[in-house]
Amino acid sequence: DIQMTQSPSSLSASVGDRVTITCRASQSISSYLNWYQQQPGKAPKLLIYGASSLQSGVPSRFSGSGSGTDFTLTISSLQPEDFATYYCQQSYTTPRTFGQGTKLEIK
Amino acid sequence: QVQLQESGPGLVKPSQTLSLTCTVSGGSISSDSYYWSWIRQPAGKGLEWIGRIYTSGSTNYNPSLKSRVTISVDTAKNQLSLNLSSVTAADTAVYYCARAVSRAFDIWGQGTVVTVSS
Repeated sequence: DIQMTQSPSSLSASVGDRVTITCRASQSISSYLNWYQQQPGKAPKLLIYGASSLQSGVPSRFSGSGSGTDFTLTISSLQPEDFATYYCQQSYTTPRTFGQGTKLEIK
Repeated sequence: QVQLQESGPGLVKPSQTLSLTCTVSGGSISSDSYYWSWIRQPAGKGLEWIGRIYTSGSTNYNPSLKSRVTISVDTAKNQLSLNLSSVTAADTAVYYCARAVSRAFDIWGQGTVVTVSS
């Protein structure tokens, strides 16, 4: 299985901050990397697919980059509704695997 | 728009079979453009992909669960199903069904909590 490792596991930030979350794959996955946001008690929501494509309806302050083994999710200016847990997921091969999550908390 | 809704028993006894259904509304489950997956999440933990099915019936399962999992689709009812046999407490989780397009899970059900306990 391809292991996905996110860093940091948790992060404290303030409204208006620029935040970057990193995801590393245990082998090259080309650009087959997706990002999800999960609010407490809710299902995950797709933010970014194919490493850098913004899902329809997702605010443009979210962006993704990377290829191969190293990827980043950037939120350019944090809004109150962005405090949540973020997961990366590889779609290069089965079994699909997710990172362990990054919990973004209010400072 | 397309919506997914999971349903099934919230409590299952150890060694029994967990059976869940996901009903697709607002669109057809029969499309070559999509496939359908089950994903689970133990309380306070991360996401685990269980497996997927194409409406052709072709399936792929997580090797960690493969011997116990069956995913099926009923196109007439616009539903997909999950059977997980010989459950233990480790199978206690929120179970989600999700649609995949362009290799990403773009639509998710709200999730259903399943507890394995006697």
